[in-house]
This record gives sequence, C-alpha cells and structure tokens, in this order.
Amino acid sequence: DAGVTQSPTHLIKTRGQQVTLRCSPKSGHDTVSWYQQALGQGPQFIFQYYEEEERQRGNFPDRFSGHQYPNYSSELNVNALLLGDSALYLCASSRTDRAFFGQGTRLTVV
Amino acid sequence: GEDVEQSLFLSVREGDSSVINCTYTDSSSTYLYWYKQEPGAGLQLLTYIFSNMDMKQDQRLTVLLNKKDKHLSLRIADTQTGDSAIYFCAESMEGTYKYIFGTGTRLKVLA
Repeated sequence: DAGVTQSPTHLIKTRGQQVTLRCSPKSGHDTVSWYQQALGQGPQFIFQYYEEEERQRGNFPDRFSGHQYPNYSSELNVNALLLGDSALYLCASSRTDRAFFGQGTRLTVV
Repeated sequence: GEDVEQSLFLSVREGDSSVINCTYTDSSSTYLYWYKQEPGAGLQLLTYIFSNMDMKQDQRLTVLLNKKDKHLSLRIADTQTGDSAIYFCAESMEGTYKYIFGTGTRLKVLA
C-alpha cells in the first residue's frame, strides 16, 4: 500500500500564474481533503471531495478549486497566484473517521 | 467558534516523559487526534480518541481527555531523540468533515 501520494513535491511559480497539484488517496479511501499549511502554522482546511463533488469548503477564495476523479484521485487548482499562497499543501484521504496525510507539495510563489 | 490552542515549545531530556497539552473550544467535537510532523514531511497520525472516552493508551503514548475543561494531552513515555518533531492536536465534529488543527508544539529531546 503506497499510502497517500502527492505530486509534485516542490514547485516554484510566478505571481499571477496558475498551478495544479495532484493527490492519489490511500487504497480503499474514497474521500480526499486538501489543507494549506503556512510556515509555522497548523494546517488550514481548504475543501473536501467525496463522490466527485465538493462536500465542504473552508474559508478560502474561489481562486482555489478542485476536482475528484472516478478513481478517487484529486487535483487542487489555484488561479492568479499571490505571494501569500506560498505554503505546504497537504492532501488527506479517509474512508471513515481517520485521515491519512501525504507528504505534501511545497509551493513557492515568487 | 473554532479554535485549538497549544503551547509552542517543549524541551525534555532523553528518557524522560513528555506531556504536550491542547485546549479546544467546541464541545461538540467527536474525535480528537494527535499528529506528528518531522521537518519537511507530511503529518503522521499517532493516535486518536473518541469524545466519550477519558483515556487511551497505545504503547508509549497515553492520551487523556478532560471534556469538562476541553483539555487534551499526549504523554510520551521514555522520550527518544527520534521523537523530536512538531506535534499537532486536531478536532473534528460529527456532521462536518474537516479537521481543525492547533498551531503545533515543537518538541525538542536533549540527549
């Protein structure tokens, strides 16, 4: 079992660009959540996908969007990148009550 | 409102016990979790406790929950240098699907 895998591991983008981050959930998990972790902070909930629909959303602007595919993998898209979007983006998969996290994608916006 | 608070730093000597504390504000929390994060890595689930429990023990880890005071603690027995990391507590509530994390406690274990 490969666990939760995310790609890429690191990414550098220019302000104003768009970025897509990818996540493959743990085998048997049908729910994917995305979190943003700024330096020195705890993770903040962005949104969660279940059955290819966004089930719940945190306090993030519409520039943050996502998608879930029939195989449960997921993408996080961020448009019009700001310097403040620089963070570690974590994907978590779950089936019931326990979420397992990937290693994250470190996004740097310059 | 939603708020989870933790002390920022803890330093202990190798072989001693570590106690990391967390307070939360939402009494309707269903599950409470402890995660470990090593430098440059994701979050590793250490243990979790259901809100109708007072204590849970898992090898070197003991979780205590005081629902009246909304206080959660993680005790690590015989702390090792490999336990040096940031520890996050998190809560989730029935009917919602998001975790609310604390700001993390950085544990430093001195040899």
